[in-house]
Order: sequence, then C-alpha cells, then structure tokens
Amino acid sequence: KQEVTQIPAALSVPEGENLVLNCSFTDSAIYNLQWFRQDPGKGLTSLLLIQSSQREQTSGRLNASLDKSSGRSTLYIAASQPGDSATYLCAAPGSGNTGKLIFGQGTTLQVKP
Amino acid sequence: EAQVTQNPRYLITVTGKKLTVTCSQNMNHEYMSWYRQDPGLGLRQIYYSMNVEVTDKGDVPEGYKVSRKEKRNFPLILESPSPNQTSLYFCASSPPPSGVTDTQYFGPGTRLTVL
Repeated sequence: KQEVTQIPAALSVPEGENLVLNCSFTDSAIYNLQWFRQDPGKGLTSLLLIQSSQREQTSGRLNASLDKSSGRSTLYIAASQPGDSATYLCAAPGSGNTGKLIFGQGTTLQVKP
Repeated sequence: EAQVTQNPRYLITVTGKKLTVTCSQNMNHEYMSWYRQDPGLGLRQIYYSMNVEVTDKGDVPEGYKVSRKEKRNFPLILESPSPNQTSLYFCASSPPPSGVTDTQYFGPGTRLTVL
C-alpha cells in the first residue's frame, strides 16, 4: 500500500536562502509524482508534475526531482521569498496506479523577510 | 475561466441532516475526486470517478456517497452526517486520458461543521 511521507513538517528560513523539501514514497511503481502548494484556508495549486520517465522538472525558481529507485522526490526552492510561505504537499498514485492519489502531510514553510 | 467550483463554501449543520456538497468543473475533465483534509491526518481521498457513471472508493469512503451522472458534476452526499465528518473538503479534476496521473485542479474547498 502506497504511503507518502514528508520531512520536515515545518521549516523556517530567512529570505534569500535556497531550500529543499523532501518527499518519500513506499511503492516505487508510480507513473508520476506531483507537488502542490496550499495557502492558508485555500485550495491546492499544482506546482510541478514529474513523470516516471523524467528525473526532474523545473518551473521558475522551483525544481523537483524524482528518484524512483530510492522512493524519493525533492522540491528545491531557489532564493526563497516571503511570498513562498505556504504548505507544500507531494502526492503519488496509489499502489496499482488506480484512480487513487496519496498525499503526504505537507511541509509548512515560513520565509522570514 | 477554467475552474473547479464547490458549493457551499461553508456549512454548519446538525447530526443526521442529509446534505450535498456540489462540485462542478468547466474543463471537460473526465477524472474527478473528493478529498477531506484534517489536522494531523492530511489530505485523504474519499471517492473518485474515472468517467461518467464510473465511481470508486478512495481511502475513507465510509459515510459518504457520490454520483457522476454528467461529466461536469460530481456531488458529495452525506446521508446522515456525524461530528467526525467535520472537515475541510476539496473537489479536484484532471484532464483525460491520464486521470490521476495528470495535473490535478482543485476547488476552493468547503468547510463543513457537523454539530
């Protein structure tokens, strides 16, 4: 059964710092992995989708990598800004790649000015 | 504007009073799904639908029903709500043909309180 874990649960950094958020999954037979952002009281916004055939995806200051063999994905945020403060969630398809999507519990990021 | 809409956004109700939370998308997506989000438990999938008239259970389906009679709508039904269903609910959809393996578009959420 697919399980998704995110470490750390919370992170506070000064503005301008580069940072890495971690996501691990137990079933590596996945088609892809997604990273989302959630602002307080809001819905989720998709940030990056990495297909299993890719090793990384980039969007602006964000770079996500996927290593299926080790069951890990990382989200790298370069030159962090206060506007990056939010909760970041990763999600992987459930075992058997049915219609299930399994989320990690998220990392809440605070970027201090 | 392409979007997923949910109604109501906020709802306070009492135990046992049937309610429906509506979800609608205007992107012609085949895949739709419902999640609940609780502190300490994260986002958990309730039900999903791969297409019209095709629905299946997620990880926490107990106490919920869904229907998918048309592509754009995927209502969540609580026949007899209980306090443990107090939560923040999200609807999501994604384009064909990949369904869950494609980018998910989320609605704004419905905050439900069951007294």
